[in-house]
Amino acid sequence: DAGVIQSPRHEVTEMGQEVTLRCKPISGHDYLFWYRQTMMRGLELLIYFNNNVPIDDSGMPEDRFSAKMPNASFSTLKIQPSEPRDSAVYFCASSSFPSAGSSYNSPLHFGNGTRLTVT
Amino acid sequence: GEDVEQSLFLSVREGDSSVINCTYTDSSSTYLYWYKQEPGAGLQLLTYIFSNMDMKQDQRLTVLLNKKDKHLSLRIADTQTGDSAIYFCAETPISGNTPLVFGKGTRLSVIA
Repeated sequence: DAGVIQSPRHEVTEMGQEVTLRCKPISGHDYLFWYRQTMMRGLELLIYFNNNVPIDDSGMPEDRFSAKMPNASFSTLKIQPSEPRDSAVYFCASSSFPSAGSSYNSPLHFGNGTRLTVT
Repeated sequence: GEDVEQSLFLSVREGDSSVINCTYTDSSSTYLYWYKQEPGAGLQLLTYIFSNMDMKQDQRLTVLLNKKDKHLSLRIADTQTGDSAIYFCAETPISGNTPLVFGKGTRLSVIA
């Protein structure tokens, strides 16, 4: 298995431009998560999906951020318009949670992230 | 809500033991995890412990859990330069089917 695949690895853009980050989860995983990592705030959960449906987007910082999962093998995180404070590493992760009643939370599998720089 | 706290930095000499500490708030957590993040990469699961255990050993790694104090530690014996990374503590929240709660991570620097 190739693991969680994110693209691009690096993105440099100017303030005001639209940015789209992409993620391909591990096949068979039914949960997908978007995280943001900065030195100041550490790892923040932005949004997560179950079976392509957004479950909790309370971590999305502003309306400028949006995420979609049109099918089980693809998700996007879009920032429009981008701002310098959006500069961070954005991670996608996927997992296959057990059915209700099971005692083990399956581990998350992370992609290698997209480093976003907004100038 | 749940919260996980870790110190941000730790520096050790090669060959010494490293101890990374974590405190958490949710006493009903069933599993606690340690993830490792190497430079330029995502987080990878390093080890985990079930809440009814006090200790788990896996080669150079020892995880200690003190449920009374809600304290988790990761000990790395004979620390190597390749162990330099950020280590994240994470707990399962009350509902087992909601996302893990991560600490901010401890950056381990190993000095040769």
